[in-house]
Amino acid sequence: DGGITQSPKYLFRKEGQNVTLSCEQNLNHDAMYWYRQDPGQGLRLIYYSQIVNDFQKGDIAEGYSVSREKKESFPLTVTSAQKNPTAFYLCASSIVRRSKQPQHFGDGTRLSIL
Amino acid sequence: SQQGEEDPQALSIQEGENATMNCSYKTSINNLQWYRQNSGRGLVHLILIRSNEREKHSGRLRVTLDTSKKSSSLLITASRAADTASYFCATDAEWDQGGSEKLVFGKGTKLTVNP
Repeated sequence: DGGITQSPKYLFRKEGQNVTLSCEQNLNHDAMYWYRQDPGQGLRLIYYSQIVNDFQKGDIAEGYSVSREKKESFPLTVTSAQKNPTAFYLCASSIVRRSKQPQHFGDGTRLSIL
Repeated sequence: SQQGEEDPQALSIQEGENATMNCSYKTSINNLQWYRQNSGRGLVHLILIRSNEREKHSGRLRVTLDTSKKSSSLLITASRAADTASYFCATDAEWDQGGSEKLVFGKGTKLTVNP
């Protein structure tokens, strides 16, 4: 079955540590996205990628970094510069990066501070 | 900034009743989407309605769009306990000069359907 796989489901970060969240899709989608969701809030866009080796900052990119070396993979690194990283992180993909295309989501990674 | 805002923030109903959730937005849109999120899971796309459409159906879901009032509603008929989830509207917004758009999500309505 096609879909998006995020791992790990839960992640804990120590002070000053970088952590990487994995996102893999087998839907053959060109566009991929990372969102952050805080309790009771909507989704905020962190980074997006329209094509391999290309990515752009979203609304809240500070303290985060991404790479897109393969079409299937779009890992997100939460760096030590992100002072409030505790949140639910969602990865999504769509056929192309157009708003009329529905986005398909993974089941998220919950990141907490130790 | 948030484009869509859902109302109410929370809704609790009995199984078999209808549930109506509303979404208001601020600027012109090309289309509006509704998503569902079960607790601790990712979002699932439910339905997309274009700006030139007024109503759309999918199974027990009915979505309306009133562009003059900049609002949309999602109606779930004959609700079931399994419909318990948060529901989000997402609207498109201009992103860059390349003409591509992004989705902007509201804060969601938390629906509880009691058995």
